[in-house]
Amino acid sequence: AQSVTQLGSHVSVSEGALVLLRCNYSSSVPPYLFWYVQYPNQGLQLLLKYTSAATLVKGINGFEAEFKKSETSFHLTKPSAHMSDAAEYFCAVSELSGGSYIPTFGRGTSLIVHP
Amino acid sequence: DVKVTQSSRYLVKRTGEKVFLECVQDMDHENMFWYRQDPGLGLRLIYFSYDVKMKEKGDIPEGYSVSREKKERFSLILESASTNQTSMYLCASSFPQGGSNQPQHFGDGTRLSIL
Repeated sequence: AQSVTQLGSHVSVSEGALVLLRCNYSSSVPPYLFWYVQYPNQGLQLLLKYTSAATLVKGINGFEAEFKKSETSFHLTKPSAHMSDAAEYFCAVSELSGGSYIPTFGRGTSLIVHP
Repeated sequence: DVKVTQSSRYLVKRTGEKVFLECVQDMDHENMFWYRQDPGLGLRLIYFSYDVKMKEKGDIPEGYSVSREKKERFSLILESASTNQTSMYLCASSFPQGGSNQPQHFGDGTRLSIL
């Protein structure tokens, strides 16, 4: 069974600083990988997804993630944090199970951005 | 854009009541999902459906049931509500993934309080 680990339930950065949110997964086969963002009182929105065409994936709002098979990681980064990036971020892994692709979500990382 | 609509944003019910949460999507997606979201636990899958009248148990189905009579509508039912079912409930939909990398589309959630 697959699992997803997001290191750090909270990450705090200053505005303009680098954002790094960590995600490690366990999967016996190449998985489908996603990052979602959840703003307060809203559902989840797709930030980016891994497509196997490239290990570095660019998403919306200046975020990107790098797939590293040897480290089973898919960390999310953004060069310069903005106040509007404050939100909850979820990493998800989707693997074929019984004929359907069922996502497994990490527990989420809350990004706090200080002025 | 895909629209997933949950019938209520906030709902307050009493212990022992039968509660219905409704979800409708407008993009002809085959797959639909119900999650509950609790602080520190991320998203946990309750039930999912990959076709009309089909349903599969997720990780935490106890105390819940679902109904999918039409492709666009997926209902979550709390047979006899209990206080430990107070939570945020999220509905999602997606195309079957097959060999492609389809993300999920989420509603804005229903915050359910059981008194």
